Amino acid sequence: AQSVTQLGSHVSVSEGALVLLRCNYSSSVPPYLFWYVQYPNQGLQLLLKYTSAATLVKGINGFEAEFKKSETSFHLTKPSAHMRDAAEYFCAVTALGRRALTFGSGTRLQVQP
Amino acid sequence: GAVVSQHPSRVICKSGTSVKIECRSLDFQATTMFWYRQFPKQSLMLMATSNEGSKATYEQGVEKDKFLINHASLTLSTLTVTSAHPEDSSFYICSARDNLDTQYFGPGTRLTVL
Repeated sequence: AQSVTQLGSHVSVSEGALVLLRCNYSSSVPPYLFWYVQYPNQGLQLLLKYTSAATLVKGINGFEAEFKKSETSFHLTKPSAHMRDAAEYFCAVTALGRRALTFGSGTRLQVQP
Repeated sequence: GAVVSQHPSRVICKSGTSVKIECRSLDFQATTMFWYRQFPKQSLMLMATSNEGSKATYEQGVEKDKFLINHASLTLSTLTVTSAHPEDSSFYICSARDNLDTQYFGPGTRLTVL
């Protein structure tokens, strides 16, 4: 079985500040991990993914995430927040041979001017 | 990147009618597509896995006779909500899986049942 826990349903940062969105996973097999962003009334857009290659993954819009097996974590970071980053962010897990994604509960990011 | 479309983006219907939602992968072939449901301010819940040329696999608690899924080609899956009721009102999102195990999501369909 696989699961994802996103700590903090709401995160608020100031424009220009560091963004850190937390994701911890549970998986009995080597995981594939994803971060998606959702803007209001829209579908999900893939930010980045980890599929057993480099542990530090760079994605779109300046985001990156680091896979830490010892901590079972895949936290999402961005050095400097922008107003357009305000959205809902979902961490998800799957595995080779599995096909469905298991999503975390999501974190709403607010960016204050 | 890969593009997935959904149609319609928004639909309002009367209780008791059926609604069909289309999901298309525009620039890649997808043997597997997924249908999710999202309630306001909540995460996505997998409803079913749609496999091209075979029957869909439904998650526990999802009524297969109410949510009919057809995956007739490698680029098209449809979800039909039969005899819709107000409690079926939700945001329905599909995704298509490419050959690298990445899922690309459609823009979603907002269903409102009056």
